[in-house]
Amino acid sequence: DAKTTQPNSMESNEEEPVHLPCNHSTISGTDYIHWYRQLPSQGPEYVIHGLTSNVNNRMASLAIAEDRKSSTLILHRATLRDAAVYYCILRGSNYKLTFGKGTLLTVNP
Amino acid sequence: DAGVTQSPTHLIKTRGQHVTLRCSPISGHKSVSWYQQVLGQGPQFIFQYYEKEERGRGNFPDRFSARQFPNYSSELNVNALLLGDSALYLCASSLVGQSTGELFFGEGSRLTVL
Repeated sequence: DAKTTQPNSMESNEEEPVHLPCNHSTISGTDYIHWYRQLPSQGPEYVIHGLTSNVNNRMASLAIAEDRKSSTLILHRATLRDAAVYYCILRGSNYKLTFGKGTLLTVNP
Repeated sequence: DAGVTQSPTHLIKTRGQHVTLRCSPISGHKSVSWYQQVLGQGPQFIFQYYEKEERGRGNFPDRFSARQFPNYSSELNVNALLLGDSALYLCASSLVGQSTGELFFGEGSRLTVL
């Protein structure tokens, strides 16, 4: 499975935007970029995914570099409920998600 | 609508014992996957079942087994428990077993092996 690299932790203030980076230099042409997050004491929750173009949904935006070797998850206005571990995952034609350690996001009031 | 439900939520076993964990997927979902999450790590893939057939298996010993029933619910069985099997076991369901499908996770079963 292609590997992703994320910062161990990031900190943000409430109501401010948050940009969570992910590097995936070995991504293949058919790999989708998925983001999941895991709140304390809960199972992971789907956030967003994309292939080549930037994507927006009600939770977040995903900006994908033109060469697809990196991507950024954007939370437009962080809330305390966004404090979680965020996982960037490359998903190819197989059936499984390969999680790394993710980025622990702390949101300050 | 009910999400993915798992039972039991917590359990304690001793080394050498056997455990069965249960998962009910979201109504209409035919694919179920199992993940193990050790404290401080991301979840690790154990199995995927789709239409009652095993479609994938992670790097886990044969002590781990699973099955999917006609109603698409699933069981994960672990025999001869070791201390290292202590973890949060997560079940996830999806509409289809494709790579772009969103996975919906339950809250997990926390297993402690003493």
